[in-house]
Amino acid sequence: QVHLVQSGAEVKKPGASVKVSCKASGYTFTGNYMHWVRQAPGQGLEWMGWINPNSGDTNSAQKFQGRVTMTRDTSISTAYMELTRLTSDDTAIYYCAREGLTNWGQGTQVTVSS
Amino acid sequence: QAVATQEPSLTVSPGGTITLTCASSTGGVTSGHYPYWFQQKPGQAPRTLIYDTNNRHSWTPARFSGSLLGGKAALTLSGAQPEDEGDYYCFLAYNGGRDWMFGGGTKLTVL
Repeated sequence: QVHLVQSGAEVKKPGASVKVSCKASGYTFTGNYMHWVRQAPGQGLEWMGWINPNSGDTNSAQKFQGRVTMTRDTSISTAYMELTRLTSDDTAIYYCAREGLTNWGQGTQVTVSS
Repeated sequence: QAVATQEPSLTVSPGGTITLTCASSTGGVTSGHYPYWFQQKPGQAPRTLIYDTNNRHSWTPARFSGSLLGGKAALTLSGAQPEDEGDYYCFLAYNGGRDWMFGGGTKLTVL
């Protein structure tokens, strides 16, 4: 059974960075891309980007380019998403989702507040 | 950057039929956009209903179907149930799947 387990909630100050992890199990981690999606309070879903866990290749939405870094550690089947220069607009639930978006992590609440 | 546009809100009667649509700012939606449809209920992660235009997952009720309609991706609900209330999002691929975009979402009310 496929599981994506994300790291816990974070509270950050404006200007700081946050790194969210997503540990995969139940399938071959390097066999599927991993997407990152976020949802601000009361707002819709927003695609952030993907990583190819096999090659490490990434692509991010234009809005996040220069501010987001997606990495992975294949030895522990874990993907990471780091977002820098946080503002209050980055307060959201961040999800990882396996390629095809059939399987989602439980979400990580990131709150940016002074 | 492309924008995917959905109806902000729709209402359907129990047992009724309704079609949600998803348009692309770059032109007509085709199978090459690999349209997805998601359902999201409050406090839950999204759940995929339809992938690649018209393919259901094993958990997708048969009353949901996907298609291309008039240059848009479409999700049709036939025989609406109270439990179908929620938010629905389309998801489109661009540049051969390198870039992706969610629609703004449709809030569906069954009343």
